[in-house]
Amino acid sequence: KAGVTQTPRYLIKTRGQQVTLSCSPISGHRSVSWYQQTPGQGLQFLFEYFSETQRNKGNFPGRFSGRQFSNSRSEMNVSTLELGDSALYLCASSFRMTGEGYGYTFGSGTRLTVV
Amino acid sequence: KQEVTQIPAALSVPEGENLVLNCSFTDSAIYNLQWFRQDPGKGLTSLLLIQSSQREQTSGRLNASLDKSSGRSTLYIAASQPGDSATYLCADDGADGLTFGKGTHLIIQP
Repeated sequence: KAGVTQTPRYLIKTRGQQVTLSCSPISGHRSVSWYQQTPGQGLQFLFEYFSETQRNKGNFPGRFSGRQFSNSRSEMNVSTLELGDSALYLCASSFRMTGEGYGYTFGSGTRLTVV
Repeated sequence: KQEVTQIPAALSVPEGENLVLNCSFTDSAIYNLQWFRQDPGKGLTSLLLIQSSQREQTSGRLNASLDKSSGRSTLYIAASQPGDSATYLCADDGADGLTFGKGTHLIIQP
């Protein structure tokens, strides 16, 4: 079966611009969560969507937002990009919500570079 | 707030050795625990999931255990191979998303 698909794989943006990343979960999975990975901070939780509703959000500024569509695909948006937003952004797909023990399948990530 | 520590941060061993990676949690009220591996520049590959009612899981040469009372998990890799070289991450699956450790960077020398 198809895995989790993230697009694009690589992105270079200029400070102040905005960016939208996309994640298509495994068929039948209704939960999509997003993570930011940097060398200094490691993997940090951004937010989770389940059935088109944001369930929870990590400790990130309001410039980071997301949404989920009726087909469970999710997008993440970062506005007014800063150099510190350069990171690998990973999305994870699950059958149920976080904490319910169904495990997660991750995509290959989007590498965002802000210059 | 849950914090996860992985020890050691890096490990280099000859091929064929058995090894243990460690993961500890500040909050022993762990919901579920998942171990992942990450190859350079890639996403995460799930290795083992220990659900809240379980204490260990096995898959091939891998065995993971969870001791909630002490807030610790171990990942045991038997008969290591060069293809096992990667960064190994443990994560607590709580209601607020996965909380990850910084990982153990493992190198298996041929």
